[in-house]
Amino acid sequence: GDSVTQMEGPVTLSEEAFLTINCTYTATGYPSLFWYVQYPGEGLQLLLKATKADDKGSNKGFEATYRKETTSFHLEKGSVQVSDSAVYFCALSLITSYDKVIFGPGTSLSVIP
Amino acid sequence: NAGVTQTPKFRILKIGQSMTLQCTQDMNHNYMYWYRQDPGMGLKLIYYSVGAGITDKGEVPNGYNVSRSTTEDFPLRLELAAPSQTSVYFCASSSSATGRLTLGETQYFGPGTRLLVL
Repeated sequence: GDSVTQMEGPVTLSEEAFLTINCTYTATGYPSLFWYVQYPGEGLQLLLKATKADDKGSNKGFEATYRKETTSFHLEKGSVQVSDSAVYFCALSLITSYDKVIFGPGTSLSVIP
Repeated sequence: NAGVTQTPKFRILKIGQSMTLQCTQDMNHNYMYWYRQDPGMGLKLIYYSVGAGITDKGEVPNGYNVSRSTTEDFPLRLELAAPSQTSVYFCASSSSATGRLTLGETQYFGPGTRLLVL
């Protein structure tokens, strides 16, 4: 069935380190892909998105490229900050009998000074 | 802008009790959703609505009910609380002229309701 797989956390990085969070998906058809971020005690917020193959989503220094050939949407940031500490969710959306959004399990990131 | 608001923030229920989780959005969005988030898991869709008067089941609807009498409100009802319903509940909304999220429309989430059933 349709699914999203993310690298397991928690991930702990020092400030200014390079970040990669891997995300791969399985889906029938052509999904849109999303990264959401959840800060402690808050709801999810859209971080970036891509709606077709080779699209690059970017926001707040984060980037992810929709790779259809490898069914991946890896999240990257060149230099993380303490304020980036959060849980990151990869997700896809599909047209089925309803507008279905499938979330990955989330990857917790802690950035230490 | 209030966005999506949820009440209460936290609640403890005894097995067999009932309660309603409230969700309101002020963005005039047509689509609204209820998700549950269990520890270490992604969000699972409980129910969704594409407009006032129209609701439908998601992936995990058992034990829940919803109604959508207005565009703004989408309450979630638990009739007989069970320990398996201990979770964090998120309401979300989205707006799409086509009604299709595959065009990249964003879902806006409320802050969540943490529910503990003992």
